Amino acid sequence: EPEVTQTPSHQVTQMGQEVILRCVPISNHLYFYWYRQILGQKVEFLVSFYNNEISEKSEIFDDQFSVERPDGSNFTLKIRSTKLEDSAMYFCASGSYEQYFGPGTRLTVT
Amino acid sequence: KNEVEQSPQNLTAQEGEFITINCSYSVGISALHWLQQHPGGGIVSLFMLSSGKKKHGRLIATINIQEKHSSLHITASHPRDSAVYICAVGRSSNYKLTFGKGTLLTVNP
Repeated sequence: EPEVTQTPSHQVTQMGQEVILRCVPISNHLYFYWYRQILGQKVEFLVSFYNNEISEKSEIFDDQFSVERPDGSNFTLKIRSTKLEDSAMYFCASGSYEQYFGPGTRLTVT
Repeated sequence: KNEVEQSPQNLTAQEGEFITINCSYSVGISALHWLQQHPGGGIVSLFMLSSGKKKHGRLIATINIQEKHSSLHITASHPRDSAVYICAVGRSSNYKLTFGKGTLLTVNP
């Protein structure tokens, strides 16, 4: 069964550093998403991506964040100058009406 | 007001009990999702509904579009069902999901 994969599973970084979270969506899907879940809180939408561009972004997704599809398979979320409050679980998903989630990357900013 | 409200927030049951988790939403949707999240953090999609009822094993999900309400039922609950169950809604305009806060289910042996 096809699945969404994410790397790394856990990333620890120091405040102010840049991180790149990687996702490989399901190959024939056209819509991709990043969601975030701060510990103890609900999952929040960050950004959706279609046809090689952002289709929608939340107010959380400010200039600190960027997404790319650098090749035919990877979908990345870059967080510049990380802050303590960026510590969260980041989920990638792909699909349209039915979305498939990756296992998540736990980002810890110290 | 949250767009997606779940109840209860926490639920403890004895093994074998019938479980119901409710979800109400306030916006027009194209689909409603029930998701399961285990302590490790990963999210698994259980159901996607746009109308009626779906069944998979011991899990049943129903939706009433007019009343903007959905329920997830677990029959003959088991300790391995212990997890957070999350309701999320999507709209046809952009497919992004809006999530509820989740229901923490604990099933005791």
